[in-house]
Amino acid sequence: AQKITQTQPGMFVQEKEAVTLDCTYDTSDPSYGLFWYKQPSSGEMIFLIYQGSYDQQNATEGRYSLNFQKARKSANLVISASQLGDSAMYFCAIRRGAGSYQLTFGKGTKLSVIP
Amino acid sequence: SQTIHQWPATLVQPVGSPLSLECTVEGTSNPNLYWYRQAAGRGLQLLFYSVGIGQISSEVPQNLSASRPQDRQFILSSKKLLLSDSGFYLCAWSQGPAELFFGSGTQLSVL
Repeated sequence: AQKITQTQPGMFVQEKEAVTLDCTYDTSDPSYGLFWYKQPSSGEMIFLIYQGSYDQQNATEGRYSLNFQKARKSANLVISASQLGDSAMYFCAIRRGAGSYQLTFGKGTKLSVIP
Repeated sequence: SQTIHQWPATLVQPVGSPLSLECTVEGTSNPNLYWYRQAAGRGLQLLFYSVGIGQISSEVPQNLSASRPQDRQFILSSKKLLLSDSGFYLCAWSQGPAELFFGSGTQLSVL
């Protein structure tokens, strides 16, 4: 079975500063995918970034980057130059292998950006 | 472009009443479809997924059921709601085992 652990229930960051949201995972599968989603107060889940277990480089998408440390089984999300609109819940998720359709989500981290 | 519609946005139902939540996807064919539930302050739990018409896989035994009568339509149902069915329900789609794209969700309160 797979498991995602997000140890930070809540985080605060000053506007324009960078912030790192922690995610560790546990899986016995040699091939897997890691995802980060953002959930604003409106409730919808917004896909941010994806990292495959065999990807050599860390994924980046605009202000989002994923600090993937395979040996430590961590997939931390880094948000650079925080904006007020970044205030939301952030969820880390893992998908088993290339043929799986199921994501296992962590409990999330609530990020608050302070002006 | 692809869009996903989910309704209603909010629903208040008495215990023991039936439930029907509908989700449709536009702009793609043969998507994988999913129903997730998010309890208050918790992560998402996969309830059902479907890789094709009439093909439903259940992840969590419960009094909920899902159906896929058309390629881009996914319905979540219950014959008799329980208090524990309260939560935020999210429909999602993907093309193959790739990232999920979510609908706007339904907040269900069972009283």
